[in-house]
Amino acid sequence: QVQLVQSGAEVKKPGASVKVSCQTSGYNFKTYGMTWVRQAPGQGLEWMGWINTDNNNANYAQKFRDRVTMTADTSTSTIYLELRNLKSDDTAVFYCAREMADYGSGSFYGDFWGQGTLITVSS
Amino acid sequence: SYALTQPSSVSVSPGQTASISCFGDKLGNNYISWYQQKPGQSPLLVIFQDAKRPSGIPERFSGSNSGNTATLTISGTQVMDEADYYCQTWDTMTSSWVFGGGTKLTVL
Repeated sequence: QVQLVQSGAEVKKPGASVKVSCQTSGYNFKTYGMTWVRQAPGQGLEWMGWINTDNNNANYAQKFRDRVTMTADTSTSTIYLELRNLKSDDTAVFYCAREMADYGSGSFYGDFWGQGTLITVSS
Repeated sequence: SYALTQPSSVSVSPGQTASISCFGDKLGNNYISWYQQKPGQSPLLVIFQDAKRPSGIPERFSGSNSGNTATLTISGTQVMDEADYYCQTWDTMTSSWVFGGGTKLTVL
């Protein structure tokens, strides 16, 4: 069965960087792109970007473009999200999701989600 | 950038029908997905491509999308359906996912 298992919660100081992992299993890793979504406390879902797990091409939301990097390791079927220059309002739960994509019809959605990783940014 | 608007809250009595709307410019021209999120849990896909249900999602969940409005309908709403619900689509201009702000469904 498809599983997405994320790394554990972390506490970071402002200005630091964090790297969150999402290990996948139960399907062909290179067949599906992966998406990262974040959720600040008590807030809604926010798309951060997407990575092609076959060639490591990524597309980032404009808001994060200058301080985010998404990578994929096909040897371990794991993706990573690195967020730099952390600020207090980056405190959030970060989710990875497997993307079902059909460019022809314009259908894009997440069918399986990780359990979430809480990143707390505090001095 | 493209925006989706949802009501912040909807209330329904157990056994009744709940309707949660999602508004966007010419939204009917895009596919919409819906996610259910209960406190402390990850989002769960309940509807994709406007009206399709993933395996394991009860038949009481249905969806529609036309004009500027997509609707998630829960027939015979159960207490277990109390959750936040988010609509999501694809913005072709920015090649990005777009989420609605979320609707808190209260079943009482």
